[in-house]
Amino acid sequence: GAGVSQTPSNKVTEKGKYVELRCDPISGHTALYWYRQSLGQGPEFLIYFQGTGAADDSGLPNDRFFAVRPEGSVSTLKIQRTERGDSAVYLCASSLSGRRNEQYFGPGTRLTVT
Amino acid sequence: TQLLEQSPQFLSIQEGENLTVYCNSSSVFSSLQWYRQEPGEGPVLLVTVVTGGEVKKLKRLTFQFGDARKDSSLHITAAQPGDTGLYLCAGAGYGQNFVFGPGTRLSVLP
Repeated sequence: GAGVSQTPSNKVTEKGKYVELRCDPISGHTALYWYRQSLGQGPEFLIYFQGTGAADDSGLPNDRFFAVRPEGSVSTLKIQRTERGDSAVYLCASSLSGRRNEQYFGPGTRLTVT
Repeated sequence: TQLLEQSPQFLSIQEGENLTVYCNSSSVFSSLQWYRQEPGEGPVLLVTVVTGGEVKKLKRLTFQFGDARKDSSLHITAAQPGDTGLYLCAGAGYGQNFVFGPGTRLSVLP
């Protein structure tokens, strides 16, 4: 079966631009997570959705970052006024339900801000 | 804030050797997970441990959760080149999100 997919796989943008990163979770998974992974680090939690609602957005670094999941399936992470420090791999994961279930990760989107 | 430390940061060994990597924190976790991540891919869950002192085995991999649920170790017997990758531990307190450590990058040379 299909796993978690993320598009694009790579995104290069100029400082100050707006970007959208997309995540397609495993069908039937109600929980969806976004993480950011910088070089040499482990994934850093950004936001967790249960269904359509953001159950925990405490990891979003500032108000330039926003994520939506309008129909409880596909999610989009939006970054406004990108900065060079936003460069990282953005990982999406989904799980059957809740935080205690196994998370399945996508391959990530590598974002480079020049 | 829960912080996880992993050691060593890098490890390069020959095929057939044994190794142990460590995950430590000052916080108590309700559960702890180990993942392996290969370049260009997301992490893949290897095991979840929830009970202090728990030992789980997955083929040549042995995972142990510390009695106080603050630390964990991963032991690999007779390492193979296919074991190469970034090993991440992640811990969660009750009702909290998993927090990842920085990882141990393992290279097994043929």
